[in-house]
Amino acid sequence: GEDVEQSLFLSVREGDSSVINCTYTDSSSTYLYWYKQEPGAGLQLLTYIFSNMDMKQDQRLTVLLNKKDKHLSLRIADTQTGDSAIYFCAETPHAGNMLTFGGGTRLMVKP
Amino acid sequence: ETGVTQTPRHLVMGMTNKKSLKCEQHLGHNAMYWYKQSAKKPLELMFVYSLEERVENNSVPSRFSPECPNSSHLFLHLHTLQPEDSALYLCASSQGLRALQFFGPGTRLTVL
Repeated sequence: GEDVEQSLFLSVREGDSSVINCTYTDSSSTYLYWYKQEPGAGLQLLTYIFSNMDMKQDQRLTVLLNKKDKHLSLRIADTQTGDSAIYFCAETPHAGNMLTFGGGTRLMVKP
Repeated sequence: ETGVTQTPRHLVMGMTNKKSLKCEQHLGHNAMYWYKQSAKKPLELMFVYSLEERVENNSVPSRFSPECPNSSHLFLHLHTLQPEDSALYLCASSQGLRALQFFGPGTRLTVL
């Protein structure tokens, strides 16, 4: 079955770049998503990428997709304390099953 | 956050109580989900409804009972819970089972 994995924790200093990584097993994924969950809140869609793209940039966010290695990353430039949250990657398989979520990466931004 | 709403936002209950969590989506979606989020399992899918029919039940104890009276509303009825059931319960909806899911803010449940 599908499996999506992320590292548990990332700590960066304010102003540095953050890179959150995700690996997945379903090579037929169509869309891949990044969600952000702030403390005490639900998950909010941050950005997404279609599987035929390599990169997508949206202001401070850059999503990189390496389909060959089944690796997705989210880069946050000029990380701010307000970026502290849990980040979940998720994929939509080509057929059959529902969205599959990774375990989430907790990003801590130190002043 | 008006797309998917959840009430109550916080709930404290004893092990013998019966309570219900409510989720409402205003997005015209046809699928709704309950997730449990705890320190042990960051995002655990509990139940899925599509077109008001339950399509998935991931080995959830019978003390959790879902109800989907229409495509906009989803309930989670709670009965004789255990302290380990304390968690954040998230509701989500989507247009189709494989589509992007939109989440509510969650209900923080504490079982004493």
